[in-house]
Amino acid sequence: NAGVTQTPKFQVLKTGQSMTLQCAQDMNHNSMYWYRQDPGMGLRLIYYSASEGTTDKGEVPNGYNVSRLNKREFSLRLESAAPSQTSVYFCASSELQGRAPLHFGNGTRLTVT
Amino acid sequence: GENVEQHPSTLSVQEGDSAVIKCTYSDSASNYFPWYKQELGKRPQLIIDIRSNVGEKKDQRIAVTLNKTAKHFSLHITETQPEDSAVYFCAASMVRADGLTFGKGTHLIIQP
Repeated sequence: NAGVTQTPKFQVLKTGQSMTLQCAQDMNHNSMYWYRQDPGMGLRLIYYSASEGTTDKGEVPNGYNVSRLNKREFSLRLESAAPSQTSVYFCASSELQGRAPLHFGNGTRLTVT
Repeated sequence: GENVEQHPSTLSVQEGDSAVIKCTYSDSASNYFPWYKQELGKRPQLIIDIRSNVGEKKDQRIAVTLNKTAKHFSLHITETQPEDSAVYFCAASMVRADGLTFGKGTHLIIQP
């Protein structure tokens, strides 16, 4: 039982490059989330998926897209990376949206030069 | 949307003393309040949570209190130990789809 698995762990991109962050959970959770963490800013919600087939914007969605591929997998795509997207990205899942703990993956440290 | 304020941003206490971290929230409809601990380079992990129908909850050296009227909740750690050193985040949410809103975190330093 791995919980929430994110890949890659580290990534360096040049401005304008694209990439997809992968996330999978094996806890049969309906809800999945992408957060970014910046120093002194806490965790801010980028996008979420309440259930398979649905996605919605969070607090900071600009520059990102997401895909809920199936119940297990929720990916985050940067189409044209910018230095402002340098951050640590966490995927999370939850059994009950808004009423149960978030289970986080180990994070992806992304640097955009 | 919901706004969560967390204080202090840094807290230094002597080993064995107590530590208190405070959070306020803006939306009176919020009803779920978890606390997460994040060690350096690791993911946030839940340490305790409380729901709006409860005023206080304890788990060994950790306790959380909730005052719905004043819209604030606090984390209390007693008999602090070196392994308590970490960043602690409070969060709040309502019963809806858009996840948790987090405070900006408190860096707790336990001095030997």
